[in-house]
Amino acid sequence: DAGVIQSPRHEVTEMGQEVTLRCKPISGHDYLFWYRQTMMRGLELLIYFNNNVPIDDSGMPEDRFSAKMPNASFSTLKIQPSEPRDSAVYFCASSFSRVLNEQYFGPGTRLTVT
Amino acid sequence: AQTVTQSQPEMSVQEAETVTLSCTYDTSESDYYLFWYKQPPSRQMILVIRQEAYKQQNATENRFSVNFQKAAKSFSLKISDSQLGDAAMYFCSPLRRGNEKLTFGTGTRLTIIP
Repeated sequence: DAGVIQSPRHEVTEMGQEVTLRCKPISGHDYLFWYRQTMMRGLELLIYFNNNVPIDDSGMPEDRFSAKMPNASFSTLKIQPSEPRDSAVYFCASSFSRVLNEQYFGPGTRLTVT
Repeated sequence: AQTVTQSQPEMSVQEAETVTLSCTYDTSESDYYLFWYKQPPSRQMILVIRQEAYKQQNATENRFSVNFQKAAKSFSLKISDSQLGDAAMYFCSPLRRGNEKLTFGTGTRLTIIP
């Protein structure tokens, strides 16, 4: 398997623009997670899905952030409008519930909002 | 809620030597897992080792082993025969069984000295 795939790997955008980050989990995994990593706050869980259904979105910082999982092989994290403080590395991870909760992370998307 | 403390922001070790990274956590749960993740310069998070809290025997994975002290809520990682490829940020994380939300510590940056 190719592992968790994220796109784009880097994104530079101007404040106020819409940003969409994409994730393809490992085939067969039933959990999908979105994390954000910054120097100030470390690694934070934003939202996670089980069988395409959002389970916990308490980590989503504001209404500007939204996430969807229309099917088992694709998820998006959207920020609209983007702000400079959204600059961070965003990770997607997936796991298979029957295997000791081990999460497999994607390579991350580095977002810079100017 | 779970909290994680990694008291060593940075550590360094001579190549081929042994180093121990510390982690303490606070949880009210009795059944949980503990993980160490590694984040090399490539940014991708990689699972190093896992421990199930109900198991008294410390987990071992090749050169990596843990010292799990449940009563003290301590979960340290020992890396033997350190290699240049071990250079990375290391994150400790507890996870309640049945829950999927990883809580990460602030990390320890490990440098390997050739």
